[in-house]
Amino acid sequence: GENVEQHPSTLSVQEGDSAVIKCTYSDSASNYFPWYKQELGKRPQLIIDIRSNVGEKKDQRIAVTLNKTAKHFSLHITETQPEDSAVYFCAAKRHGGSQGNLIFGKGTKLSVKP
Amino acid sequence: DSGVTQTPKHLITATGQRVTLRCSPRSGDLSVYWYQQSLDQGLQFLIHYYNGEERAKGNILERFSAQQFPDLHSELNLSSLELGDSALYFCASSEEDTQYFGPGTRLTVL
Repeated sequence: GENVEQHPSTLSVQEGDSAVIKCTYSDSASNYFPWYKQELGKRPQLIIDIRSNVGEKKDQRIAVTLNKTAKHFSLHITETQPEDSAVYFCAAKRHGGSQGNLIFGKGTKLSVKP
Repeated sequence: DSGVTQTPKHLITATGQRVTLRCSPRSGDLSVYWYQQSLDQGLQFLIHYYNGEERAKGNILERFSAQQFPDLHSELNLSSLELGDSALYFCASSEEDTQYFGPGTRLTVL
């Protein structure tokens, strides 16, 4: 089955710096890769996602890149702010629609120091 | 607000007891997923239902069971509870690939 590895497990950056979180997946048939942000005690919230027919996607200060050949994808946050502090989870999903389920990485705790 | 609702918000019970967690998906979503998140841990997939039928099982214990009803709401039943079952339980719903999470139920087993 699918296995998703996420690095680093913790990341501390200074406000205004960039943060990069990387994930690798094992199943070459996976075709959907979302990123979730979870604040303490709250629900995971989707922040950006990418499909296997796209190499990069941007939304304001966040971007995701996908390398299908190497089976890895990354989250990039630029100009970090204290409110970006949270745990970030990557995930991978095989199949489309109602088939398959998300397999999550173990999470990265991002701390942005003012 | 994701549109997914879960009740109760908090649940405190004793070892050996049985509890039921409830989830109502977003309007129109046929898929419901259940996840367990222990303290400082990731999201462990438990089970997926689509339009009333079980579609996939993850690391769900035999003491746990779930179902999805004709109105598409879902219930997760946890029995013979142990201290280690204390966790946040999330449900998520989806129409296609994107999953939207509910606010979770925090279960504490004493």
